[in-house]
Amino acid sequence: AQKITQTQPGMFVQEKEAVTLDCTYDTSDQSYGLFWYKQPSSGEMIFLIYQGSYDEQNATEGRYSLNFQKARKSANLVISASQLGDSAMYFCAMREVTNTGNQFYFGTGTSLTVIP
Amino acid sequence: DGGITQSPKYLFRKEGQNVTLSCEQNLNHDAMYWYRQDPGQGLRLIYYSQIVNDFQKGDIAEGYSVSREKKESFPLTVTSAQKNPTAFYLCASSMSGRNYGYTFGSGTRLTVV
Repeated sequence: AQKITQTQPGMFVQEKEAVTLDCTYDTSDQSYGLFWYKQPSSGEMIFLIYQGSYDEQNATEGRYSLNFQKARKSANLVISASQLGDSAMYFCAMREVTNTGNQFYFGTGTSLTVIP
Repeated sequence: DGGITQSPKYLFRKEGQNVTLSCEQNLNHDAMYWYRQDPGQGLRLIYYSQIVNDFQKGDIAEGYSVSREKKESFPLTVTSAQKNPTAFYLCASSMSGRNYGYTFGSGTRLTVV
């Protein structure tokens, strides 16, 4: 089974509108971390936001917020007031601690295009 | 400033040649990782190292080799045994613990000519 599932290969959003990128995860651990990364066309991976499994509040970082629904194992990224520079690939990731050490899992990504 | 440096940014390899991609970090991170990314695809783990002088194979280790002689350095060699090496390679490092994410390098784009 996939550890991280991103079901939206591509998304379009009008500039200044909000957009939600979906992410579901699969784990039997009680303690884990969830992350979102942005990858512009230059290729670098930019950390956006983190949510710990025990955090009761949804994480926010500027225009980014993480809609964390633990029971549904969902960690959707919400980008408010989209800008042209938000056009990029977005990856959801999860970190578990296993008996062999830390394991980090990535989804397949969502390509976001912001339309002027 | 602390960070991860990957070099070179672009690399061209002839068929049958081994090439080595450099990855250096000054973040004092224990763990380092190498990922491969093909166009329009996600990241696939090649090798990782949790401590110096120790490393483990990831999902697609065949045709690659690594070393971890220093905490700061984790070079990746793409050998001639790797049949389809053209890809974008990303190095990452992290502290231990589930609440730590990765810090990534800027990547190396390898092309076989």
